[in-house]
Amino acid sequence: GQSLEQPSEVTAVEGAIVQINCTYQTSGFYGLSWYQQHDGGAPTFLSYNGLDGLEETGRFSSFLSRSDSYGYLLLQELQMKDSASYFCAVRSSTGRRALTFGSGTRLQVQP
Amino acid sequence: ETGVTQTPRHLVMGMTNKKSLKCEQHLGHNAMYWYKQSAKKPLELMFVYSLEERVENNSVPSRFSPECPNSSHLFLHLHTLQPEDSALYLCASSQVLERGEQYFGPGTRLTVT
Repeated sequence: GQSLEQPSEVTAVEGAIVQINCTYQTSGFYGLSWYQQHDGGAPTFLSYNGLDGLEETGRFSSFLSRSDSYGYLLLQELQMKDSASYFCAVRSSTGRRALTFGSGTRLQVQP
Repeated sequence: ETGVTQTPRHLVMGMTNKKSLKCEQHLGHNAMYWYKQSAKKPLELMFVYSLEERVENNSVPSRFSPECPNSSHLFLHLHTLQPEDSALYLCASSQVLERGEQYFGPGTRLTVT
């Protein structure tokens, strides 16, 4: 099966940089996704890494190391509106084909 | 309407009621999903449909019954639910089954009394 681990909570100040880590275990890895969910809202897709390295999308970047079964989401120039939960999700290339989500990291941005 | 829509947004039902949740995607996607999100728990995948065919049933109790009449619509029929079934039910779609990029609807907040 698949399992993912990420910190439950992270706190940072406005303007800072924060990194949210995700380690995973899966039988046959296909890719790692990141989602953002504000309180009361639906998850929204942020990024996807299928290959090792860094993917950058504006203030957000996502990194993957398949050899270490590890990835992270990097948020730069934090804004108050970035306060939300962030989920990593893995897709396996064998067996179950849909995404398995981590428990989520609650990011609190303080002024 | 754009994206993924869900109705109703809120639902309160008794344990003996029968109700249905509706999801519609306007993105031309071929795969649709039902998730359950409870407080302080990760998203739990319930059902997966690809081209109207159910491809995954994640050990969900039979009191939840999905239906996918076409690639744009997905229903979740509910009957004789339990209070522990109270949760946010999210529908999502993706272009194809294997994509790591899914688009979620706003969810239905279900309360079982």
